[in-house]
Amino acid sequence: EVQLQQSGPEVGRPGSSVKISCKASGYTFTDYVMNWVKQSPGQGLEWIGWIDPEYGSTDYAEKFKKKATLTADTSSNTAYIQLSSLTSEDTATYFCARIGGEPYFDYWGQGVMVTVSS
Amino acid sequence: EIVLTQSPTTMTASPGEKVTITCRASSSVSYMHWYQQKPGASPKPWIYETSKLASGVPDRFSGSGSGTSYSLTINNMEAEDAATYYCQQWNYPYTFGAGTKLELK
Repeated sequence: EVQLQQSGPEVGRPGSSVKISCKASGYTFTDYVMNWVKQSPGQGLEWIGWIDPEYGSTDYAEKFKKKATLTADTSSNTAYIQLSSLTSEDTATYFCARIGGEPYFDYWGQGVMVTVSS
Repeated sequence: EIVLTQSPTTMTASPGEKVTITCRASSSVSYMHWYQQKPGASPKPWIYETSKLASGVPDRFSGSGSGTSYSLTINNMEAEDAATYYCQQWNYPYTFGAGTKLELK
């Protein structure tokens, strides 16, 4: 069974960084691209970017190029997103989501709530 | 970037009612995906490539459309269908609609 298990909620100070994880199981981690999606409180969904765990290649939506850094550790089957220079606009839930054999987000993590607060 | 406009933003439906949610794209797209999200949960794939039902989705759901206009239809609304539905297009960069909140009357 495919599972994407994300880390727990984070609180970050304005100007700091946070790094959240997404541990994959039930499939070969390097076979599929991992994406990250942001959902601000009471709002819709925004695609942040993707990482190909096999090659480490990444791409980002323009809005997140200076905000997010995606990495992956193939030894632990874990994808990461680091959010830098936190502001109140970064307070949101962040989901990892896999693109599987078909071109859509077929499995999602449970989401991680990031709260930016002084 | 392709902007997706969903309508209505919110709606209520009675059990047994037919429901249609539309999604219009600012430019033509090859197909549309739909996700269902309930409060406190992650989105679930619901309909992909315009009309294919994801695993476990009841066949009272259907999807259709082409070009810039797509829709999700529920025949015979049931209580469990109350949720927010998002459309999503696969041209790069990927974008989502703002969502349609469907409530049970």
